Amino acid sequence: AQSVTQLDSQVPVFEEAPVELRCNYSSSVSVYLFWYVQYPNQGLQLLLKYLSGSTLVKGINGFEAEFNKSQTSFHLRKPSVHISDTAEYFCAVSWAAGNKLTFGGGTRVLVKP
Amino acid sequence: EADIYQTPRYLVIGTGKKITLECSQTMGHDKMYWYQQDPGMELHLIHYSYGVNSTEKGDLSSESTVSRIRTEHFPLTLESARPSHTSQYLCASTLAGGPSGELFFGEGSRLTVL
Repeated sequence: AQSVTQLDSQVPVFEEAPVELRCNYSSSVSVYLFWYVQYPNQGLQLLLKYLSGSTLVKGINGFEAEFNKSQTSFHLRKPSVHISDTAEYFCAVSWAAGNKLTFGGGTRVLVKP
Repeated sequence: EADIYQTPRYLVIGTGKKITLECSQTMGHDKMYWYQQDPGMELHLIHYSYGVNSTEKGDLSSESTVSRIRTEHFPLTLESARPSHTSQYLCASTLAGGPSGELFFGEGSRLTVL
């Protein structure tokens, strides 16, 4: 079965430091890749997506992610985090156009002053 | 901004009660989904619908049921709530034929069964 793995369940980071959240998936055939963010007591909102084209994808709030087909990874990065980036981050993959999303287990980011 | 709404946002209810969680979207999306989110964050798909009168069970078995009588409305019902049903339930939708997998989420319904 297809799977999505987020290697870190929690990432504490100091304000203005960089952060990287790791995401790996089980197969690289025709994948569509997403990162969602969930702020406290809210639903998920899309940060960025990779459908095709450039492997470096830029999203909202200064986040970016890089698709690496050979390593079946889609890691999320931000060069300098703010307190307001404290949230839960979910990697998600669709293995075919229009197919259901499979979510990773999530990574909780806690930004400390 | 997504136009998908869930009610109630919070519900505390006793064991054995019937509950319905409402989900409505005004975007004309054909595909709608219900996810159950554990306290440990993980999301599990419990129901989905690809259009009116179409409903399917998701990856995680659930005692809840859903209906899709109108495009914009996708309610979830528990006939007899139990403490094991305590969780957050997230509704989502997407446009069929749109960018693959880009879901719009409601703010969630947090259910506590005593």
